[in-house]
Amino acid sequence: QLQLQESGPGLVKPSETLSLTCTVSGGSISSSSYYWGWIRQPPGKGLEWIGSIYYSGSTYYNPSLKSRVTISVDTSKNQFSLKLSSVTAADTAVYYCARISRYFDPLWAFDIWGQGTMVTVSS
Amino acid sequence: EIVLTQSPGTLSLSPGERATLSCRASQSVSSSYLAWYQQKPGQAPRLLIYGASSRATGIPDRFSGSGSGTDFTLTISRLEPEDFAVYYCQQYGSSLITFGGGTKVEI
Repeated sequence: QLQLQESGPGLVKPSETLSLTCTVSGGSISSSSYYWGWIRQPPGKGLEWIGSIYYSGSTYYNPSLKSRVTISVDTSKNQFSLKLSSVTAADTAVYYCARISRYFDPLWAFDIWGQGTMVTVSS
Repeated sequence: EIVLTQSPGTLSLSPGERATLSCRASQSVSSSYLAWYQQKPGQAPRLLIYGASSRATGIPDRFSGSGSGTDFTLTISRLEPEDFAVYYCQQYGSSLITFGGGTKVEI
């Protein structure tokens, strides 16, 4: 079945750029039925949507993060990636990638999630 | 941007009791685009309910969702020990996604 796996550095210095990749296995990222998203969760806090991407490269971002976020897709590798620039301690969180359906039930709900990866921003 | 407010912040109940969780939106949300998730410590969230009232695959029927417009409810009819967790609502609208702050259901 479809699985998602996040990867990337667990420690990033303040002011630098956080970079994560989500690898999709057991299915194609190029399906026209789905968007792919990033969600984060600071320690002990709630969930925050970062942004979503379609296989064509079309993106939607959280307005509060839009100036610092870039999400891209590499269909040849079945991966999509997150870059968050100028990070501070407030960006310390578990980062999840997930799938969201645009055409079929469950419409616009994240039905498959990666296990999450902890990223700490510290010097 | 639509803000989702969940209440209560914490719900203290016993196994076998009924849990009623609220999610209120700052403006009207399409029922088709309102979802609920369960999250246990150290785990990714799990989709429970989508379209405000439809159970996701494999979700027991003690979980039910209802509501429309700005007021939505997740009900757990009889709490099982494995149901003690944090629950989040989530909406999609105008290409943006927001989550509520969560309700912790504790023993």
